[in-house]
Amino acid sequence: GDSVTQMEGPVTLSEEAFLTINCTYTATGYPSLFWYVQYPGEGLQLLLKATKADDKGSNKGFEATYRKETTSFHLEKGSVQVSDSAVYFCALSDPISGGYNKLIFGAGTRLAVHP
Amino acid sequence: GAGVSQSPRYKVAKRGQDVALRCDPISGHVSLFWYQQALGQGPEFLTYFQNEAQLDKSGLPSDRFFAERPEGSVSTLKIQRTQQEDSAVYLCASSPTGGNRRLNEKLFFGSGTQLSVL
Repeated sequence: GDSVTQMEGPVTLSEEAFLTINCTYTATGYPSLFWYVQYPGEGLQLLLKATKADDKGSNKGFEATYRKETTSFHLEKGSVQVSDSAVYFCALSDPISGGYNKLIFGAGTRLAVHP
Repeated sequence: GAGVSQSPRYKVAKRGQDVALRCDPISGHVSLFWYQQALGQGPEFLTYFQNEAQLDKSGLPSDRFFAERPEGSVSTLKIQRTQQEDSAVYLCASSPTGGNRRLNEKLFFGSGTQLSVL
């Protein structure tokens, strides 16, 4: 079945450091890919998305590019801030196996940014 | 309210008890989802409603789990005869759109109900 694999956390960085969180996926069909973020005490929020190969999703300085050849959707940010400390989830929806109503999530990667 | 509201925020149940978890979606949202998030894991899909119709319940782990949305707004997830393995955070999400490609592009999550079964 479809699945999403993320790098294990926690990831600990100093402010202004470069961030990469790796995400790879397996899917039956041609999925849409997402990054969600969960700040402490809050619900999951959509951070960015990409719906076809080579699309780049971006938001709040974060970027991720849909790489079909490597089945990857790595999250990057050039300069992290303390306020970026949160748990980040990579997810997909696959119209073939799960339909558009079901998201499949990775296990999440906790990011801690220190001043 | 402004967002998806879930209650209670925390629930402690003794093994074998029945529990009911409530979700108030954003007003007017057509689609409603329930997810289960075990400690240290990502959310896993349980069930999906479009208005009052439960279109997908493939993720419900057993017949002890039951969800309803009788008037197409508020939803309740009921777990009968709770077991320790039911301990998790239960997340509700809603979307203004129905079953199409853009469904997951405007998904709003609540903060969840943390269920602990002792």
